[in-house]
Amino acid sequence: QMTQSPSSLSASVGDRITITCRASLSITTYLNWYQQKPGKAPRLLISAASDLQSGVSARFGGSGSGTDFTLTIGSLQPEDSATYYCQQSYSPPLTFGQGTKVEIK
Amino acid sequence: EVQLLESGGGLVQPGGSLRLSCEASGFTFGNSFMSWVRHAPGRGLEWVSGITGPGGGPYLAASVRGRFTISRDNSKNTVYLQMVSLRADDTAIYYCARTHYDASGYYHDYWGQGTLVTVSS
Repeated sequence: QMTQSPSSLSASVGDRITITCRASLSITTYLNWYQQKPGKAPRLLISAASDLQSGVSARFGGSGSGTDFTLTIGSLQPEDSATYYCQQSYSPPLTFGQGTKVEIK
Repeated sequence: EVQLLESGGGLVQPGGSLRLSCEASGFTFGNSFMSWVRHAPGRGLEWVSGITGPGGGPYLAASVRGRFTISRDNSKNTVYLQMVSLRADDTAIYYCARTHYDASGYYHDYWGQGTLVTVSS
């Protein structure tokens, strides 16, 4: 089971924000992060806890291992308004967290 | 260019059946693990099912086990999701996703546009 916090947050452009994901059992670094905007398919941001995907802005960063992980957006931009999901990637079922909705003030 | 095109969604009554299809192009389909992921209104993403390139697994979420079946036809570059005994809480947009797998785990690197399944009387 994957648990994200907070469920939502509101921040200003330029702010640094952090989203947390906790696994019920250790998954070492088998953890992905996705971004989903309304009406769109999810987009992979980070795999293996910290590997930034090609084409993803360097203001996104991932860290953690074991059971505790974080997604950080270093300087929030208007286009970052979306819902973010973590996902354990060790073995099926590939469970998602419940999501964190990020809004821009 | 990788493309995933889902079809087969629609309105179905509770207890009914539906088969979703996802036609792939732009990559070596027969070598690729494929998944179905759904997004119910007002809820988060839920991984539903997955199947290996040769058709192994298959893997199903507990919420659909015994009701959904995943299969593939590599000659047609198509993966299917057969859904029976549908319930209102199966209402969702269903996405097909190519699922990369290596020593660092699984991840969904390409997604279709989704197909809407509505279960309602």
